[in-house]
Amino acid sequence: EAGVTQSPTHLIKTRGQQATLRCSPISGHTSVYWYQQALGLGLQFLLWYDEGEERNRGNFPPRFSGRQFPNYSSELNVNALELEDSALYLCASSLEINSPLHFGNGTRLTVT
Amino acid sequence: RKEVEQDPGPFNVPEGATVAFNCTYSNSASQSFFWYRQDCRKEPKLLMSVYSSGNEDGRFTAQLNRASQYISLLIRDSKLSDSATYLCAVNKATDSSYKLIFGSGTRLLVRP
Repeated sequence: EAGVTQSPTHLIKTRGQQATLRCSPISGHTSVYWYQQALGLGLQFLLWYDEGEERNRGNFPPRFSGRQFPNYSSELNVNALELEDSALYLCASSLEINSPLHFGNGTRLTVT
Repeated sequence: RKEVEQDPGPFNVPEGATVAFNCTYSNSASQSFFWYRQDCRKEPKLLMSVYSSGNEDGRFTAQLNRASQYISLLIRDSKLSDSATYLCAVNKATDSSYKLIFGSGTRLLVRP
């Protein structure tokens, strides 16, 4: 069974640009979560999508947004990139609430 | 107070040692608890779920203390390959909202 897949693996952008990150959950999982992990820091919750709807978001500005498609894959968009957005962005999926999350390999975003 | 707290370490132990980590959480209504392992610059991987009665998986034992609001992870007979950062994760469930909050991690170094 394929795990959570994320693309691209690496992304380099300049300040002010937009970044789009993609995620495909494990087959059968309807929930997708996005986390940000800046260098040396812990995982910060960004967004939770379930059945195509945004169910919860963390303490991030509105320029962080996303969506979930009918096939449950998801996209994270970051507008007006700032240097401090440089981080590893992790996508995870789960079978249901209270189930463990399974993470993809992440997208490493570098903003210069 | 942080929602989920861990001692950052590092814990530096010899091979064969027994080491234990604790993780405290602030939300008494939390229902799901997990331990993850994260290697440098990689995604977190689920190590084990933590059940109310405590559970064991080989050399790893996880326990939950609801009264004192902490979970623990015990590693027996440490191997060099156990060197990693160990993250605890606790759900925050309010109404219909759900998110998994991660601690900042405890770094373990196992030396020969």
